[in-house]
Amino acid sequence: EVQLVESGGGLVQPGRSLRLSCAVSGFTFGDYAMHWVRQAPGKGPEWVSGINWNSADIAYADSVKGRFTISRDNTKNSLYLQMNSLRTEDTALYYCGKDRTGAIGARRSGIDYWGQGTLVTVSS
Amino acid sequence: DIQMTQSPSSLSASVGDRVTITCRASLSISNFLHWYQQKSGTAPKLLIYGASSLQSGVPSRFSGSGSGTDFTLTISSLQPEDFATYYCQQSYSTPTFGQGTKVEIK
Repeated sequence: EVQLVESGGGLVQPGRSLRLSCAVSGFTFGDYAMHWVRQAPGKGPEWVSGINWNSADIAYADSVKGRFTISRDNTKNSLYLQMNSLRTEDTALYYCGKDRTGAIGARRSGIDYWGQGTLVTVSS
Repeated sequence: DIQMTQSPSSLSASVGDRVTITCRASLSISNFLHWYQQKSGTAPKLLIYGASSLQSGVPSRFSGSGSGTDFTLTISSLQPEDFATYYCQQSYSTPTFGQGTKVEIK
């Protein structure tokens, strides 16, 4: 059974940092691209960042570029998101997701498995 | 970034109705287009990838079509469990989602 479990969310003040983790099981982690997608309360999903199977291709949404860093450890079946200089508008439920392929952007991509999400609240 | 625009933003339909949702990209994305269903309090669920390929386990009443800039998700006969919000997403460049279409009970 495929499982993705996010952790690391919480309440943080603006300007501070937080590191999210996603532990996966049930598939060969190193074969697939992974993504972080967030969803603010009452809003639609917003893609945040993606990383291909071997970390050679990484992309970010403009809204987080320069502040967030995605990484993965294929030996630990884990995905990470380092979030610096947090803003109130970063408040959201953060999901990790598995791509159908090893690439971030492919014709046959699509996020076929999702975690349950971890809530990040940025507030003073 | 490529902008994805869905229409309508919401619709009311009855069980058994044929429902069509449209997604338009701000520039051509070939068929790098995917559809998701989201129910309240849960993560999105992949329905269609590559514009027209049905994800494993998804009922055949769901279908997708289109290429270039214009895409369609069709539910051939709406079932009670299909009342949800639907999103398109492109993977041609930095991924982006549409704003969603909420399907409500008439």
